[in-house]
Amino acid sequence: EAGVAQSPRYKIIEKRQSVAFWCNPISGHATLYWYQQILGQGPKLLIQFQNNGVVDDSQLPKDRFSAERLKGVDSTLKIQPAKLEDSAVYLCASGTTGVYGYTFGSGTRLTVV
Amino acid sequence: KQEVTQIPAALSVPEGENLVLNCSFTDSAIYNLQWFRQDPGKGLTSLLLIQSSQREQTSGRLNASLDKSSGRSTLYIAASQPGDSATYLCAVRPDDYKLSFGAGTTVTVRA
Repeated sequence: EAGVAQSPRYKIIEKRQSVAFWCNPISGHATLYWYQQILGQGPKLLIQFQNNGVVDDSQLPKDRFSAERLKGVDSTLKIQPAKLEDSAVYLCASGTTGVYGYTFGSGTRLTVV
Repeated sequence: KQEVTQIPAALSVPEGENLVLNCSFTDSAIYNLQWFRQDPGKGLTSLLLIQSSQREQTSGRLNASLDKSSGRSTLYIAASQPGDSATYLCAVRPDDYKLSFGAGTTVTVRA
């Protein structure tokens, strides 16, 4: 089966600019997550979708971050305006309910200068 | 709130030595626990998934144990190789919900 696809792989932007990341989950996976991983730390959940509804966005900085999941499939994560501290790897994961684990994409490495 | 701790933060061993990586979590009400591998600049690759009702899982040279009551899991890697050099992350899943990650253990296997 195809894995979780993310793009772009790398992005360098200046502070105060905007950026968007895209994720295509594994077909049939109802749950989609966006995680932020700062260098040297474990991934931190930003937002969780169940189909096209938001389950948890309590750790999403809503003044600058937004996310949507279109028709319960693809998802985009946007940052506007970016800050230096947003430099991190942004990971998308998808999964199903039940006994199965989650599959992660390769991530997008964002550098804000 | 679930807290996940991984000790040690970094580990360096000579090739052929067995690796022991530890993970502890504060809330034993978990659905499952998953071990991941992360190579520099890359995403996460799932290694082993242990359901809350299981005690261990094995895949090749990898074996992971789970003691839910004490909030601990251990990942064993037998006969380490330089290709095992990576960061290993432990993640717990409460009920049917989001993953909580530890900060990882960075392993270096010296040839």
